[in-house]
Amino acid sequence: ILNVEQSPQSLHVQEGDSTNFTCSFPSSNFYALHWYRWETAKSPEALFVMTLNGDEKKKGRISATLNTKEGYSYLYIKGSQPEDSATYLCASTLTGNQFYFGTGTSLTVIP
Amino acid sequence: GAVVSQHPSRVICKSGTSVKIECRSLDFQATTMFWYRQFPKKSLMLMATSNEGSKATYEQGVEKDKFLINHASLTLSTLTVTSAHPEDSSFYICSARDGSGRALQFFGPGTRLTVL
Repeated sequence: ILNVEQSPQSLHVQEGDSTNFTCSFPSSNFYALHWYRWETAKSPEALFVMTLNGDEKKKGRISATLNTKEGYSYLYIKGSQPEDSATYLCASTLTGNQFYFGTGTSLTVIP
Repeated sequence: GAVVSQHPSRVICKSGTSVKIECRSLDFQATTMFWYRQFPKKSLMLMATSNEGSKATYEQGVEKDKFLINHASLTLSTLTVTSAHPEDSSFYICSARDGSGRALQFFGPGTRLTVL
């Protein structure tokens, strides 16, 4: 079992603030790191897949970075909006198959 | 694209009964489907991996006779919780992967099972 940790567990920010959270994972035998956005009662939505050390991905106001040598990824949200409220999950894989998930960071954006 | 549906979204059953959960890929063919379980404040844990037309591969500690998985077509996998007990109450979620070779998984919305 791969130990994937996310911090913080929950976060409340004011609308317009920027925020970031962390996913840490074992760096040995790393294959890929996935970020998902999960709203209540909906399917987790894939945000990013990153494989290379130093990868940076961006989707609108959301971006992510990857450091495979030290085993962490950051997810950044610029100018948070209430619709960004969700749980953000990361998952690491050793091969292309099994996903090892963190417990998620629950983000609440206060209008 | 890449939509996965799951039914039912919520089920309450009596102890000792069996419950079937369906996972469907709506707009792609899912060569591989995965079943996860999530207990409160815990991470999603893989229960089993199923490939169309073959037996599912179960993770350590998951009883294959209790959690029956059938992946009879490229768009449908079912998970049957047999003789359910209160400790089986959990959130069950499926995901599917297409045959493109990419390591992406597309998730259903999950099923909340409560066993009384």
